[in-house]
Amino acid sequence: DQQVKQNSPSLSVQEGRISILNCDYTNSMFDYFLWYKKYPAEGPTFLISISSIKDKNEDGRFTVFLNKSAKHLSLHIVPSQPGDSAVYFCAASYLTGTASKLTFGTGTRLQVTL
Amino acid sequence: DVKVTQSSRYLVKRTGEKVFLECVQDMDHENMFWYRQDPGLGLRLIYFSYDVKMKEKGDIPEGYSVSREKKERFSLILESASTNQTSMYLCASSLQGQVDSNQPQHFGDGTRLSIL
Repeated sequence: DQQVKQNSPSLSVQEGRISILNCDYTNSMFDYFLWYKKYPAEGPTFLISISSIKDKNEDGRFTVFLNKSAKHLSLHIVPSQPGDSAVYFCAASYLTGTASKLTFGTGTRLQVTL
Repeated sequence: DVKVTQSSRYLVKRTGEKVFLECVQDMDHENMFWYRQDPGLGLRLIYFSYDVKMKEKGDIPEGYSVSREKKERFSLILESASTNQTSMYLCASSLQGQVDSNQPQHFGDGTRLSIL
């Protein structure tokens, strides 16, 4: 049962335009959401996150929006740059008794073209 | 900067072999995790550890075991390797408590394991 879904396996955007990556989740217990970026042959690196008590978080060119009622979040990249070409993973977490575990989506491959 | 180091980038083993994947972190993190990444399936949690000698099963623990004898080191063991365990394996670490922007999980660069 996929609790975190990224329905678009790939996305192609022109340089300078907005990239919008989407993520849906089913588990109401999730209270923190993160986006990771992954280049080939490297591990994922943390990009930006949002708590469930907020609906928006910005960090430079990156903005994450959360719609709790729809169980949907999105990552906006403006303006998109060629260096943004990577696989983006959405992840969700909640704190259990032992550790905060992440549940990842299947990833969206973003290609930013010149 | 947090450093999570996985001992091998590429590994080729034979069916039935016992395989050890090693991971070391240098930030005194309490939590350590092992994931595998497969095309179309994203990252799936195999096992995690929240303290030395403590471990919990993740979503896909079958065929794997782990060992954490020291805080900085977390080993993944394939008891009897099979071809369906060919995958990219990723180790991660984090501080105790809620994962958030101040303490996200930090990942190593992965080990690409092929079982022939």
